[in-house]
Amino acid sequence: DAGVIQSPRHEVTEMGQEVTLRCKPISGHNSLFWYRQTMMRGLELLIYFNNNVPIDDSGMPEDRFSAKMPNASFSTLKIQPSEPRDSAVYFCASSFIPPGTDTQYFGPGTRLTVL
Amino acid sequence: DQQVKQNSPSLSVQEGRISILNCDYTNSMFDYFLWYKKYPAEGPTFLISISSIKDKNEDGRFTVFLNKSAKHLSLHIVPSQPGDSAVYFCAAVANFGNEKLTFGTGTRLTIIP
Repeated sequence: DAGVIQSPRHEVTEMGQEVTLRCKPISGHNSLFWYRQTMMRGLELLIYFNNNVPIDDSGMPEDRFSAKMPNASFSTLKIQPSEPRDSAVYFCASSFIPPGTDTQYFGPGTRLTVL
Repeated sequence: DQQVKQNSPSLSVQEGRISILNCDYTNSMFDYFLWYKKYPAEGPTFLISISSIKDKNEDGRFTVFLNKSAKHLSLHIVPSQPGDSAVYFCAAVANFGNEKLTFGTGTRLTIIP
């Protein structure tokens, strides 16, 4: 199994530009999570989907962030417009429920730098 | 409001000795706890977990202890090996099964050969 696939691995962009991060979950998994890692706050859950439906988006920082999951094998996290404070590593993870919660599998992350 | 806290950003331990990583939480609704390990340029990977009905769970060199009254858990690694050098994240779940993990800020463990 290829594991969770994220692209791009690195993204450098200028303030105001649109950024799209992509994720392919593990085949057969029915839950998908987007996290952001920063030094100050550690790993923060931004949003998660179950069976392609957004369940909890309370962690999405503001309206500039949006996430979609059009099908079971693909999800995107979009930032428009991007700001320097969005610079972080963004992780996608997937799992299969029923529980347990110890089976979240993470992708390698996308390091985003907004200049 | 950081509900899961790892107050030590870094820890250095000699190879062969015991490594103890600590985690505190504030939400009394948390009933399931996990530790994840992260190497550079990789995503976190699950290491070990514990339910609130237990106070200890052991898996090989790794043992997690839970003190519910103190809202504190710790991860013990013994003996420590160079491959254990990584960032360790503590995570917690409220109402086991709802999948939403709350992570701490992480502790960078360095094992000195």
